[in-house]
Amino acid sequence: GAGVSQSPSNKVTEKGKDVELRCDPISGHTALYWYRQSLGQGLEFLIYFQGNSAPDKSGLPSDRFSAERTGGSVSTLTIQRTQQEDSAVYLCASSLARFMKGQAYEQYFGPGTRLTVT
Amino acid sequence: GQNIDQPTEMTATEGAIVQINCTYQTSGFNGLFWYQQHAGEAPTFLSYNVLDGLEEKGRFSSFLSRSKGYSYLLLKELQMKDSASYLCATMDSNYQLIWGAGTKLIIKP
Repeated sequence: GAGVSQSPSNKVTEKGKDVELRCDPISGHTALYWYRQSLGQGLEFLIYFQGNSAPDKSGLPSDRFSAERTGGSVSTLTIQRTQQEDSAVYLCASSLARFMKGQAYEQYFGPGTRLTVT
Repeated sequence: GQNIDQPTEMTATEGAIVQINCTYQTSGFNGLFWYQQHAGEAPTFLSYNVLDGLEEKGRFSSFLSRSKGYSYLLLKELQMKDSASYLCATMDSNYQLIWGAGTKLIIKP
């Protein structure tokens, strides 16, 4: 497939459990982003990866959240000891780059993972 | 602080024209994006403005005034499928995208 893919599409978990969300970006895209979107709300930035550089983790809401990107491609977002307020749609996006030669690059979004913490 | 403002909801009639405004205050400016998001789906890119003026793409146009911290998305010949949320986002001096909460556009026949 040519687009960004995410798995699982839906995840229901019990409070206190750990979850892993996966993102496969578009091949050749060096920039990868994770966002969270609660019902009826805008996008909340979580973390950004660019190539082999250290990630920008400034949006992670707590130390229960972490992410990694292996081999500059697939990324995994891990939420430990989930809480009910973690329930949201988690969106992954990729782009050719974040900003280059005077312009920003559009982000291509995956379909998201809907996380429900009971 | 950094802030993006856009109306929460707008209603328009099929076949008409609607303008969705976005005002922003950010630390530096590296362009402004508009995305469309249908309910239950991921956002899709509509436009990117980095210079002042109007950019037209078919039925959709986007305008930017950097001095006023203002942009609008203009949708012409509205169709029912245009019912969606429209997200405004600006890139600041640190190349961070700052997202607005989105404007839900309801199209009535």
